[in-house]
Amino acid sequence: QKEVEQNSGPLSVPEGAIASLNCTYSDRVSQSFFWYRQYSGKSPELIMSIYSNGDKEDGRFTAQLNKASQYVSLLIRDSQPSDSATYLCAVNWGGSYIPTFGRGTSLIVHP
Amino acid sequence: NAGVMQNPRHLVRRRGQEARLRCSPVKGHSHVYWYRQLPEEGLKFMVYLQKENIIDESGMPKERFSAEFPKEGPSILRIQQVVRGDSAAYFCASSPPWDREAFFGQGTRLTVV
Repeated sequence: QKEVEQNSGPLSVPEGAIASLNCTYSDRVSQSFFWYRQYSGKSPELIMSIYSNGDKEDGRFTAQLNKASQYVSLLIRDSQPSDSATYLCAVNWGGSYIPTFGRGTSLIVHP
Repeated sequence: NAGVMQNPRHLVRRRGQEARLRCSPVKGHSHVYWYRQLPEEGLKFMVYLQKENIIDESGMPKERFSAEFPKEGPSILRIQQVVRGDSAAYFCASSPPWDREAFFGQGTRLTVV
């Protein structure tokens, strides 16, 4: 059974801090990794995609991928209360087009 | 440049009725995915379609559920003889053939009474 694992949280950080969200996956041949943000009652919104080992930065967001450790993370710098949401990690197994999602980590940024 | 469009946004059905959920992908996207989400739970994959073909329906219940993506028109997720346990948010996502990034519609909230 292929799994995407995330700590459900909530992860609580003060405004301005760095929020670190983690995700592990079970299939070594996975090639495509995504982070989505979902506000309560809304649909998932794509934040980042990453395909190669290392870091990928986009504004306040940095995705980090380590395929050897089967680990992908999302760092949010200068966290804002508006970042409070559930963050979903998604993995495409092998060459599949289908994103498989973790259960998500709830992030709370308090003023 | 419209995103993924789903309708209706909210749907109420009595037990035993049929529910039809529609999804129009982003223009140029030929891959469509349907997911179900229960409150406080993650997104569960149901079915993956390309134009006129079901590619993977491993996440869809064998009975009462069907999906299609015709050559013309939106993708349809059909639930026959709905039961209370079908109450959930149903999300559609689409991606282009040249990329793996999938974009979601606003979802249909189905309530079975």
